[in-house]
Amino acid sequence: AQSVTQLDSHVSVSEGTPVLLRCNYSSSYSPSLFWYVQHPNKGLQLLLKYTSAATLVKGINGFEAEFKKSETSFHLTKPSAHMSDAAEYFCVVRNTGTASKLTFGTGTRLQVTL
Amino acid sequence: DTEVTQTPKHLVMGMTNKKSLKCEQHMGHRAMYWYKQKAKKPPELMFVYSYEKLSINESVPSRFSPECPNSSLLNLHLHALQPEDSALYLCASSLSLGLDTGELFFGEGSRLTVL
Repeated sequence: AQSVTQLDSHVSVSEGTPVLLRCNYSSSYSPSLFWYVQHPNKGLQLLLKYTSAATLVKGINGFEAEFKKSETSFHLTKPSAHMSDAAEYFCVVRNTGTASKLTFGTGTRLQVTL
Repeated sequence: DTEVTQTPKHLVMGMTNKKSLKCEQHMGHRAMYWYKQKAKKPPELMFVYSYEKLSINESVPSRFSPECPNSSLLNLHLHALQPEDSALYLCASSLSLGLDTGELFFGEGSRLTVL
């Protein structure tokens, strides 16, 4: 069975400082991993995805994530937070070969302060 | 066009009403999904259609009835709902099931309130 653990339910950073949102996964097979962002009362937007190519994945809006198999982690980072980054972030895992059933983490709310 | 369009954005209904949520995509995707999301929770999968056939039903109560009239459209028919069914209902699509990367494109959701 696959699972995802987002280690922080809430992260607060100052504008212009780095962002780190942590995600650990458990998977029996080679996983595909995703980060989605959800702004209030909006749908989910894909930030980036890992599908067994390069382990350092660059996404939209300056976000990136590094797949570390030895640590079963897929942490999301951004060098400098912007007020518009305030949102809910979901780490998602899918086992290769399963019928696109995604397992969502519980989410991390990112707050950005002035 | 990389959009999934959902209507209506907001819906208020009584427990005896019949209503429908609609979803449309023109990306040529052959898999479409309904998710339910309660406040401060991740989305929960309800149904998956693949090539217009129901592929996955996550034991959803029969008061929710999905329909996929063609490859671009997905409906969710609602009847005799309960107040606890109030939630954000998200539609999503992907290229297909199984062999794709699993990347889902989501709509903005329909906010349902059951009185």
